[in-house]
Amino acid sequence: DTEVTQTPKHLVMGMTNKKSLKCEQHMGHRAMYWYKQKAKKPPELMFVYSYEKLSINESVPSRFSPECPNSSLLNLHLHALQPEDSALYLCASSHDPSLNQPQHFGDGTRLSIL
Amino acid sequence: KNEVEQSPQNLTAQEGEFITINCSYSVGISALHWLQQHPGGGIVSLFMLSSGKKKHGRLIATINIQEKHSSLHITASHPRDSAVYICAVRRDSNYQLIWGAGTKLIIKP
Repeated sequence: DTEVTQTPKHLVMGMTNKKSLKCEQHMGHRAMYWYKQKAKKPPELMFVYSYEKLSINESVPSRFSPECPNSSLLNLHLHALQPEDSALYLCASSHDPSLNQPQHFGDGTRLSIL
Repeated sequence: KNEVEQSPQNLTAQEGEFITINCSYSVGISALHWLQQHPGGGIVSLFMLSSGKKKHGRLIATINIQEKHSSLHITASHPRDSAVYICAVRRDSNYQLIWGAGTKLIIKP
């Protein structure tokens, strides 16, 4: 069982829909990450939250909107996505982004855009 | 040239064989990570190294900072070890990870 919980596990949505991906951890980690992973490729960093503040946005299109309501929760709001946005979306957390600590990953949300 | 290179890309072996996966990098790093990803998605962090060698069960990871090279070894391999193994490095200068392309390992019974 993973200590980082992502919901839903699978999501199919149309290009005009609005949906949200959720991520939760209760390890007291203060850094949380969103990654996008296409098939047979390594994960690509999208966003980093450090102490509940957005610290890195890797030039992600505005149709992806992250939110960190508190230190345990991380959301990714989706709107007007494109078929090429279909991918596995992974959430991760670590103790502190400035320290050399492993990242703990969730099982991901597999997103399909029709 | 990618900053993190893994070899081989694909590896198929028989159960019980000793497995070695290699990772070379070209940037200054503060740490190197080995991670495992099973089909279906979840990623598990296996090791984080900044020097020397670490062992956990049948897995051994080594790093040579001078040569900018790391290896992941699996002893007495088992079909449940079948997965993609990914090397990722954390730069000196910031805390982002640079990911290798991964090695797909299949262990046949």
